[in-house]
Amino acid sequence: KQEVTQIPAALSVPEGENLVLNCSFTDSAIYNLQWFRQDPGKGLTSLLLIQSSQREQTSGRLNASLDKSSGRSTLYIAASQPGDSATYLCAVNHNTDKLIFGTGTRLQVFP
Amino acid sequence: KAGVTQTPRYLIKTRGQQVTLSCSPISGHRSVSWYQQTPGQGLQFLFEYFSETQRNKGNFPGRFSGRQFSNSRSEMNVSTLELGDSALYLCASSFRTANEKLFFGSGTQLSVL
Repeated sequence: KQEVTQIPAALSVPEGENLVLNCSFTDSAIYNLQWFRQDPGKGLTSLLLIQSSQREQTSGRLNASLDKSSGRSTLYIAASQPGDSATYLCAVNHNTDKLIFGTGTRLQVFP
Repeated sequence: KAGVTQTPRYLIKTRGQQVTLSCSPISGHRSVSWYQQTPGQGLQFLFEYFSETQRNKGNFPGRFSGRQFSNSRSEMNVSTLELGDSALYLCASSFRTANEKLFFGSGTQLSVL
């Protein structure tokens, strides 16, 4: 049974810092992995989607990497801003039209 | 382009009642997935529909059901509500499959008293 874990559970950093969020999964036979952000009481916004054949994806200040063999993905946020404050979730897919979500990392960026 | 729309935004029900939640996907999207989010269990997959057919189902009791209409709009129904059904119910849409980038609605916050 696939289990997805995210470390740390919470993170508080000053504005301008570069930071790394971690996601690990137990079954490496994934089809793809997505990173989402969720603002309080809101839905999820897809940030990056990495296919199993890819090693990384970039969008603006965000960079996500994927190492299937070790069951890990990282989300790198450069030059963090207060507007980046949110909960970040990773989710894996085994080509079953069903995402398995991680536990999330709650990020706070203070001015 | 309108996003995924979920109605109602908030709902309060009592135990034993039933509830119907609605989701309108982005125009052109034919796959609709439903997820339940609780503080204790996180996000859990309920079911996914494509072209009015349920293609995948999560590990939820039969009290949870859904359907999709010919215009891709979807509804989910929960019968005989229990306190533990209190959650944020999220719907997501994509063109053909949940393997693609998903677009989520803002959710329906259900409180069961």
